[in-house]
Amino acid sequence: GENVEQHPSTLSVQEGDSAVIKCTYSDSASNYFPWYKQELGKRPQLIIDIRSNVGEKKDQRIAVTLNKTAKHFSLHITETQPEDSAVYFCAAPYTGGFKTIFGAGTRLFVKA
Amino acid sequence: EAGVAQSPRYKIIEKRQSVAFWCNPISGHATLYWYQQILGQGPKLLIQFQNNGVVDDSQLPKDRFSAERLKGVDSTLKIQPAKLEDSAVYLCASSLAGYQETQYFGPGTRLLVL
Repeated sequence: GENVEQHPSTLSVQEGDSAVIKCTYSDSASNYFPWYKQELGKRPQLIIDIRSNVGEKKDQRIAVTLNKTAKHFSLHITETQPEDSAVYFCAAPYTGGFKTIFGAGTRLFVKA
Repeated sequence: EAGVAQSPRYKIIEKRQSVAFWCNPISGHATLYWYQQILGQGPKLLIQFQNNGVVDDSQLPKDRFSAERLKGVDSTLKIQPAKLEDSAVYLCASSLAGYQETQYFGPGTRLLVL
């Protein structure tokens, strides 16, 4: 069905700590899972994505893990910096409607 | 490459007035999306075009919203008449082929209905 749940809605961490955001989806046929970062007043921009033929993907300080059996995927940010402060959205395709469903977003605060 | 262009960037209107937004996607991108983003929420898909055909418009309030994609390139989204609850950012995005790909977003149009 059309449902993407994202948790937590707000996350506050100290600079240098790690942050983890989790999303669950309901369409078992989904096979593309992007994460977008939206800074205040700006457009969402892709930061990392993963396809269902892999379980993990890394790009410097960010990584995404995918568990297709449990139908959830997570964003991991290590060594957080103040500039990581933003709203992060996960998204998953709803193959029944050939469209993408976005999560509600996680507001990340990185305290210096 | 040039990004997704949108205009206007800001619009203030009174309720019951009409308004139109314009979007020019990245050249060669077949899929175009219009999203409504209310403050503090994730983008909500209003309509999705594949070339100049509609793929999904299930969440478009068709009694007041309309959209078209001319010749499979530019698109316009219209609201007539506007309501207070239409105040939001309207984001246009495009992707190369389909929905299971990276979406590139425009800067958005911030609409305030008074």
